[in-house]
Amino acid sequence: EAAVTQSPRNKVAVTGGKVTLSCNQTNNHNNMYWYRQDTGHGLRLIHYSYGAGSTEKGDIPDGYKASRPSQENFSLILELATPSQTSVYFCASGARDSGNTLYFGEGSRLIVV
Amino acid sequence: GEKVEQHESTLSVREGDSAVINCTYTDTASSYFPWYKQEAGKSLHFVIDIRSNVDRKQSQRLIVLLDKKAKRFSLHITATQPEDSAIYFCAASSYNQGKLIFGQGTKLSIKP
Repeated sequence: EAAVTQSPRNKVAVTGGKVTLSCNQTNNHNNMYWYRQDTGHGLRLIHYSYGAGSTEKGDIPDGYKASRPSQENFSLILELATPSQTSVYFCASGARDSGNTLYFGEGSRLIVV
Repeated sequence: GEKVEQHESTLSVREGDSAVINCTYTDTASSYFPWYKQEAGKSLHFVIDIRSNVDRKQSQRLIVLLDKKAKRFSLHITATQPEDSAIYFCAASSYNQGKLIFGQGTKLSIKP
């Protein structure tokens, strides 16, 4: 069974603080993704990666950085968190070729106060 | 870039009836169209997909139709059951891109 694990599952952060969301996958997938889910917007792609050392900007990258230090790990970093970044964040992994199933983590709920 | 529009934000059908969720996309290069299901309070999981080399695909009670000319695809759930209640997301990607673009989601409710 494909496994994508996110941490933390819940986080309350203060405005201006730094937040790191971590994702680990045991699928040996090359591609990893960070999405945020907001009512009315569905899932929006923030950053993605084709493999260790690579990061690509998605559709809404402003205010976010990403890091892929290894095949298994992909982090999303909010250097200066703002209330507009309050959301549920999902990490996913997928095989190299486009058109393969994505496996999602359980989500990380972030509240920025 | 690619944009995917999901036309119904909510949909309510009686148990046993069929449900249809419609999506449109903008990028003619898109060639892969999956659907994901999200049950209340849970993550998303894959349910069915269709590739641009076919216009219809069925898996048990799920049917996906693709109209490339209209850049439209749809999910049909036949003989709906209470466990079909969930948010359904359509998505699209092109073969030479590794990213999947999602629609806004449709909350499907099955009434007894």
